[in-house]
Amino acid sequence: AQKITQTQPGMFVQEKEAVTLDCTYDTSDQSYGLFWYKQPSSGEMIFLIYQGSYDEQNATEGRYSLNFQKARKSANLVISASQLGDSAMYFCAMRDEPSNTGKLIFGQGTTLQVKP
Amino acid sequence: DSGVTQTPKHLITATGQRVTLRCSPRSGDLSVYWYQQSLDQGLQFLIQYYNGEERAKGNILERFSAQQFPDLHSELNLSSLELGDSALYFCASSVNLQGGTDTQYFGPGTRLTVL
Repeated sequence: AQKITQTQPGMFVQEKEAVTLDCTYDTSDQSYGLFWYKQPSSGEMIFLIYQGSYDEQNATEGRYSLNFQKARKSANLVISASQLGDSAMYFCAMRDEPSNTGKLIFGQGTTLQVKP
Repeated sequence: DSGVTQTPKHLITATGQRVTLRCSPRSGDLSVYWYQQSLDQGLQFLIQYYNGEERAKGNILERFSAQQFPDLHSELNLSSLELGDSALYFCASSVNLQGGTDTQYFGPGTRLTVL
C-alpha cells in the first residue's frame, strides 16, 4: 500500500534562513506524483509544488523547491529565505497515477514556526 | 483564493442529525474530491467524482454519500451523525481524471461540529 511519512511533527526556523521539511514515500508504482500543500492556521489548503516521478529535474516554485531523490524515495521541501508568513502546517502528498484516480494520500504533516 | 467554494463554512449540529455540505469546483474543472481532516485520522480521501460519475471511493462511511450534479457542483451528505464525525471537510477540484500535473485545488473547508 502507498504511504507517505513525515517524521518531523514540528520545526523551528529563524526568519530569512532556509529550512528543509522531510517527506519519504512508499509505492511499488513507477508512475506517481508528489505534492506539497501548506495549511495556515486559518485552515485552507494551499498548493505549493508538484514533482512527477519521471521528472528529471527538481521542481521549483519561487522560494519553494523540492529535493527529489527517487532511489531513496524522498521528496523533501526546501523553503528558502523563510518569512513569518511561512508559519503553517505543511503536508506532503502522493497521487497514484496508474490507478486512474486522482486521490491523494497525505502524510501526517509538519508544523513549521518561523521565528523573528 | 483557489476558486473552489464551499458552504457553509461552519456547521454545528447534534448527534443523529443529517447535514449537507456543498462544493462548487473551479471553472473548467471536471473532477471533485472530498477529504476529511480530523485530529486522530489526519487527512483522508473520501470520494471522487468526475463529470457527474463516481470514480473512486476511499474511507467513506456508509452513513455518508455524495453526488455531483450536471452543473458540476457536488454535495456531501452526512447522516446519523456521531461525535466522531466532527472534522474539517474539504472539497478539491482538478481539471481532469488523468495523471500528470493535474493539481487539486482545495476549497476553504467546512468545519463540522457534532455535539
